[in-house]
Amino acid sequence: EADIYQTPRYLVIGTGKKITLECSQTMGHDKMYWYQQDPGMELHLIHYSYGVNSTEKGDLSSESTVSRIRTEHFPLTLESARPSHTSQYLCASSDTGIYDGYTFGSGTRLTVV
Amino acid sequence: AQSVAQPEDQVNVAEGNPLTVKCTYSVSGNPYLFWYVQYPNRGLQFLLKYITGDNLVKGSYGFEAEFNKSQTSFHLKKPSALVSDSALYFCAVSGGDDSNYQLIWGAGTKLIIKP
Repeated sequence: EADIYQTPRYLVIGTGKKITLECSQTMGHDKMYWYQQDPGMELHLIHYSYGVNSTEKGDLSSESTVSRIRTEHFPLTLESARPSHTSQYLCASSDTGIYDGYTFGSGTRLTVV
Repeated sequence: AQSVAQPEDQVNVAEGNPLTVKCTYSVSGNPYLFWYVQYPNRGLQFLLKYITGDNLVKGSYGFEAEFNKSQTSFHLKKPSALVSDSALYFCAVSGGDDSNYQLIWGAGTKLIIKP
């Protein structure tokens, strides 16, 4: 049973459109993360946040942006979608310590045509 | 720098046979180690973790992993594989004083269990 929710699950959108991928968690976790993953491939960290009004870029350069206005909400926005953005986007959260690891959402599979 | 290696892109096992998915790591300080599983078109699910204590840790779905400090390894094992175990498996590590407990991920190993 997921405590972290991503919407939409699937999205097909045209080139040049602005999109926002939603991620919300009900666990009160301070830390949240966005990963980009091509099917069956490794995870690439694109953004993370350690709390409200805190956002950082990850290891993989991304044209997306994020915001963290509320603890539970960490949306990712693409101002102008391109076919190269086609991928799966995974959101995760974690508590302050390490003992429980990360909790992942089910992901958003984005296709830009 | 911290790193995780999963040396096998794919592991093939016959149903009923034991399976091993390998993971080695490099961290400064004490390592915290995790295994996650990913089924197609899903997010990652937690399987098990090693924080401290007994080197053999047991997790979900009959999986276990053995922490070996001298070999810096944390291999995932299961005594008898099921077809339903077929999935993508990720090893992750956190550690070091300045890591802020962020997980570093291996590249993943595709496990295929054949009937």
